[in-house]
Amino acid sequence: DAKTTQPPSMDCAEGRAANLPCNHSTISGNEYVYWYRQIHSQGPQYIIHGLKNNETNEMASLIITEDRKSSTLILPHATLRDTAVYYCIVRVVGTNAGKSTFGDGTTLTVKP
Amino acid sequence: GAGVSQSPSNKVTEKGKDVELRCDPISGHTALYWYRQSLGQGLEFLIYFQGNSAPDKSGLPSDRFSAERTGGSVSTLTIQRTQQEDSAVYLCASSKQGRDTQYFGPGTRLTVL
Repeated sequence: DAKTTQPPSMDCAEGRAANLPCNHSTISGNEYVYWYRQIHSQGPQYIIHGLKNNETNEMASLIITEDRKSSTLILPHATLRDTAVYYCIVRVVGTNAGKSTFGDGTTLTVKP
Repeated sequence: GAGVSQSPSNKVTEKGKDVELRCDPISGHTALYWYRQSLGQGLEFLIYFQGNSAPDKSGLPSDRFSAERTGGSVSTLTIQRTQQEDSAVYLCASSKQGRDTQYFGPGTRLTVL
């Protein structure tokens, strides 16, 4: 699986959009971009994933660059409960894809 | 529907003892994964099951660690002769198939004294 790089930490004001970047310059054509978050002492929570096109769900939006070498997770109206570690990973598509490789993630702190 | 469940939620044991950690995946999920997370660290892959077989055991740190899965459902991770460095949160995840989105359980916090 390709490695990803994320800034170690970010701050965001409550009610504003949080934009979390991720670089995955060595991504392969059969790898999806996945985002998870982990709130203290809980298991990682799935947020969103995509291959090439931008994606949106009830939690967030995912913007993937045309060359697929980077992406941005957007939380449109951050709340205090969005304070967490956000992980960007790339994951092979196909049978028996197996494990995911998690990096250190970005610690997002939403401030009142 | 019910998510991935793990038990116990916390386990404190003495060095040298054996421990068993249990994972109940989401019903119908054929793939199951074990990870561990040491304090302040990222997730470390341990083992992956597809059905009852484990095509990838590459993350098991030593032969003290083993895992099994029966009936394509429940999995048990066993750590023999626990050491203090085994202290971590052990996380289980499942997915419909190996290529699909993984959903994580709440984890078991293991403390070895």
